[in-house]
Amino acid sequence: AQTVTQSQPEMSVQEAETVTLSCTYDTSESNYYLFWYKQPPSRQMILVIRQEAYKQQNATENRFSVNFQKAAKSFSLKISDSQLGDTAMYFCAFMIPFSGNTPLVFGKGTRLSVIA
Amino acid sequence: KAGVTQTPRYLIKTRGQQVTLSCSPISGHRSVSWYQQTPGQGLQFLFEYFSETQRNKGNFPGRFSGRQFSNSRSEMNVSTLELGDSALYLCASSPDRTSGGPLDNEQFFGPGTRLTVL
Repeated sequence: AQTVTQSQPEMSVQEAETVTLSCTYDTSESNYYLFWYKQPPSRQMILVIRQEAYKQQNATENRFSVNFQKAAKSFSLKISDSQLGDTAMYFCAFMIPFSGNTPLVFGKGTRLSVIA
Repeated sequence: KAGVTQTPRYLIKTRGQQVTLSCSPISGHRSVSWYQQTPGQGLQFLFEYFSETQRNKGNFPGRFSGRQFSNSRSEMNVSTLELGDSALYLCASSPDRTSGGPLDNEQFFGPGTRLTVL
């Protein structure tokens, strides 16, 4: 079974600074997808960034980038130039493709607070 | 395009009652998944429906059930409610096209239904 671990339950960062959220996972599969989801307070969850395991290049979406280390099974999220709107729960998630839309396996989440 | 909608948004029930939650996926999406979110257990997969058939199931007791209609709308039902069923129930839809790439499997979440069991 696949597991996802987020070791930082809570983090805080000053506005405009950079913060990195950690995620490790365990799987015996060689092909999979990794995601970071953001869940703002009382608002719905949205996808921040995705990474395909067969791609060596780290994914980037504007201020959000990942550091994907396949051998170490590590998938961290870096948020640059943090903004107050980045305050949210962040979930790391894993999915195995090509087998009928298998479910997402989530970590327990990291609560990020951006401080003015 | 309208997003995933869930009704009702909030629900209060008492132990022993049953409850039905509804989810309308994004137009054209064929797969609907349900997750339970609690502070202690985090996000846990309940089940997934595709073409009116349950395709995947998580590790929840039989009190939790669901179905999908021909228009892809889905409902989940919890019978004989327990205090521990208090949670945010999230529905997610995805296109689920045949290529199986990340865009095809990307799940779009609804706002959730907050269920409180007293």
